[in-house]
Amino acid sequence: QVQLVQSGAEVKKPGATVKISCKASGYIFTNYAIHWVRQAPGHRLEWVGWINAGNGNTVYSQKFQGRVTITRDTSASTAYMELSSLRSEDTAVYYCARDSEAYWGQGTLVTVSS
Amino acid sequence: DIQMTQSPSSLSASVGDRVTITCQASRAINNYLIWYQQKPGKAPKLLIYDASNLETGVPSRFSGSGSGTDFTFTISSLQPEDIATYYCQQYDTLPRTFGQGTKLEIK
Repeated sequence: QVQLVQSGAEVKKPGATVKISCKASGYIFTNYAIHWVRQAPGHRLEWVGWINAGNGNTVYSQKFQGRVTITRDTSASTAYMELSSLRSEDTAVYYCARDSEAYWGQGTLVTVSS
Repeated sequence: DIQMTQSPSSLSASVGDRVTITCQASRAINNYLIWYQQKPGKAPKLLIYDASNLETGVPSRFSGSGSGTDFTFTISSLQPEDIATYYCQQYDTLPRTFGQGTKLEIK
């Protein structure tokens, strides 16, 4: 069965960088893109970016352009999202989702606090 | 970016009621619309895709309709386990965009 398992919760100081992983199983990793979506407390879901797991091409939301980097390791069937220059407004649960959006990771809480 | 306007933002209904949520896109999205259910502390769960197709395993009391820019999500007979927040999302283009959510409560 398709599964996406994300890395654990993170606590970071303002200005720091966080890197979250999303390990896929149950399907051919390179056949589907992976999306990253975040949800700040009390806010709607917000799309961060996307990686074509086959060729590594990425598209980022303009809001995060310059601060976000999405990569993948095909040998490990794992996608990564790195967000830099963290600020308190980046406190949120970050999700990965396989393209077609039927399968989601369990979410990773990132807390940015001094 | 395509803007998704969802309403209402909250809704209180009784068990057995018919519940309807609407979602409007800022331009036509070729029916590439998903409806999700999200319960507290959980990832969104896909219920409806392509605007009207029921995901496998989802109860038939859930349905979706619409085309172009205007879409509707319906629960035909509300059950206690349906208490959640519901979101629409377009997947016609990148960036993906979501409605603001509808929090459904039992009256």
